[in-house]
Amino acid sequence: QVQLVESGGGVVQPGRSLRLSCAASGFTFSAYGMHWVRQAPGKGLEWVAVIWYDGSTKYYADSVKGRFTISRDNSKNTLYLQMNSLRAEDAALYYCARNGGNDYFDYWGQGTLVTVSS
Amino acid sequence: QSVLTQPPSVSAAPGQKVTISCSGSSSNIGNNYVSWYQQLPGTAPKLLIYENNKRPSGIPDRFSGSKSGTSATLGITGLQTGDEADYYCGTWDNSLSAVVFGGGTKLTVL
Repeated sequence: QVQLVESGGGVVQPGRSLRLSCAASGFTFSAYGMHWVRQAPGKGLEWVAVIWYDGSTKYYADSVKGRFTISRDNSKNTLYLQMNSLRAEDAALYYCARNGGNDYFDYWGQGTLVTVSS
Repeated sequence: QSVLTQPPSVSAAPGQKVTISCSGSSSNIGNNYVSWYQQLPGTAPKLLIYENNKRPSGIPDRFSGSKSGTSATLGITGLQTGDEADYYCGTWDNSLSAVVFGGGTKLTVL
């Protein structure tokens, strides 16, 4: 069965960096695009970034462009999100999700919590 | 302010039907597929509808989706207390080159 397990969240000071990971299993990871989606406490879903199955193309939300980098290692079945220059407004539960086809998310992880506080 | 507009809340009695609207523009809903997600309290979102009106395996036919022009609608019939959740629509936006979501709709089954 498809499993997505995020890790790497934690408490970080404003301006610092953090790298999130998403370990995938139960499917051919290298055949699927992957997304990061976040949800601030008590708020709605906010899309963060997508990377195509082969890593050739990436898109970012304006709110994170230039600060966050999405990447993947298909040999390790792992998706990453490098987050630099973190701000208070980046605090959220970060989900990785598989792209099911026409930009929909057919499987989601349980999320990893990022807290930005001094 | 979300790119896609959903009502903040809807409610109906058990056994009844409810619809949730999602309004966008030609740069998103008007030219792309819409998907819908259910988020039960304390859990990750779950895909309910994809490509406007298709249901993944395991999603009951009480859930349906439709799209017309720059708007989409999620319908839920035979409401159950277990359907109480937040519901989100999503699609690609060609102008933003980004996935966009609605602000979410909280369904209460009275």
